[in-house]
Amino acid sequence: DTAVSQTPKYLVTQMGNDKSIKCEQNLGHDTMYWYKQDSKKFLKIMFSYNNKELIINETVPNRFSPKSPDKAHLNLHINSLELGDSAVYFCASSQRLVGGAGDGYTFGSGTRLTVV
Amino acid sequence: QQQVKQSPQSLIVQKGGISIINCAYENTAFDYFPWYQQFPGKGPALLIAIRPDVSEKKEGRFTISFNKSAKQFSLHIMDSQPGDSATYFCAARGTSGSRLTFGEGTQLTVNP
Repeated sequence: DTAVSQTPKYLVTQMGNDKSIKCEQNLGHDTMYWYKQDSKKFLKIMFSYNNKELIINETVPNRFSPKSPDKAHLNLHINSLELGDSAVYFCASSQRLVGGAGDGYTFGSGTRLTVV
Repeated sequence: QQQVKQSPQSLIVQKGGISIINCAYENTAFDYFPWYQQFPGKGPALLIAIRPDVSEKKEGRFTISFNKSAKQFSLHIMDSQPGDSATYFCAARGTSGSRLTFGEGTQLTVNP
């Protein structure tokens, strides 16, 4: 049973289209994230939600909009896709403990987005 | 601003050798230092982690060495195997929240 699952695994789309990536975790974690991994493998945080509340919103174009219907789901919607959006997008989750401490992240397998 | 610097960018080691990857951080508020291993087509997976109150942590062939005064930590892979070939990321997290800041990654290749 996959702990953090993302769909789709691959996404090829044309410039200007709108697309969504879905993420679900069954670990009971209360914090979820979206990371972008570029062609050089660098992992950059985009958003973080804690129990459906947005807590991290990095400098990301407002074409990217996260949505968390409940604490087990965090979806990413991207409007007006551009060539530069091509990357691998990872969803992750973690459990935030008392005092702000927490354990490591659990990542999904990623969604490879290719904009043509 | 890159708060966690990782080196080398790539590393080639012979089977049975020792792989060493280094990281340096700037933020003294960081209190949790994990290492992640990523295979092609997969997400990063937690490998081993350390907190700054200890100088070393060992799990099997993997050891983290931590130098708080120098603000550096490193991953040592003993008896490296071809199956260890992957990208390794160091990371650090501050006390103020659970955000992880990642290093740039090291592509490790272990030749048979």
